[in-house]
Amino acid sequence: RKEVEQDPGPFNVPEGATVAFNCTYSNSASQSFFWYRQDCRKEPKLLMSVYSSGNEDGRFTAQLNRASQYISLLIRDSKLSDSATYLCVVIYSGNTPLVFGKGTRLSVIA
Amino acid sequence: DAGVIQSPRHEVTEMGQEVTLRCKPISGHNSLFWYRQTMMRGLELLIYFNNNVPIDDSGMPEDRFSAKMPNASFSTLKIQPSEPRDSAVYFCASSSGMNEKLFFGSGTQLSVL
Repeated sequence: RKEVEQDPGPFNVPEGATVAFNCTYSNSASQSFFWYRQDCRKEPKLLMSVYSSGNEDGRFTAQLNRASQYISLLIRDSKLSDSATYLCVVIYSGNTPLVFGKGTRLSVIA
Repeated sequence: DAGVIQSPRHEVTEMGQEVTLRCKPISGHNSLFWYRQTMMRGLELLIYFNNNVPIDDSGMPEDRFSAKMPNASFSTLKIQPSEPRDSAVYFCASSSGMNEKLFFGSGTQLSVL
């Protein structure tokens, strides 16, 4: 079973739509979670951290469900500029580095 | 404020040649990571260092791959000899700690012909 799993997509949505991605993780000892965004031919960049209580940053909302072992990213009022690949990242405890999902590709269409 | 700096941005070489990729982490960061990204396998962790010491190189695909970090501000990833299947984007990333968020360099696009 893969450690971090994401639906690869692509998710094709019209401008203004609301879209949500989930990411499941297998290790219940996971401690920290992030969403990264990667544009075509660019490096991944931190989008937002995911806190147990959930957090919001403008049109973006991230949530964590420890019982079901998944995190989610909700994007409201999608913009063309939101088109990218969204990578889920999980950190376990101790001296283990981040584990990346393979990403979910989003295309926002005019 | 400079981010993670990688060089070269692009490298085209012939099979059998030695390739050296370079990385300068963010000043003050003590953890450094080398990743490889392909369409098929996504982001793969090759090796990571903490305080210049290699912690885990189990992701290095073969003995042809080696990495060094002689000091806190410089690391290299070397492939010798290179093969066409090594073609990928190689990212270097750094963080302020093992469990902290990563900051990536712009990557090196490697093409081995």
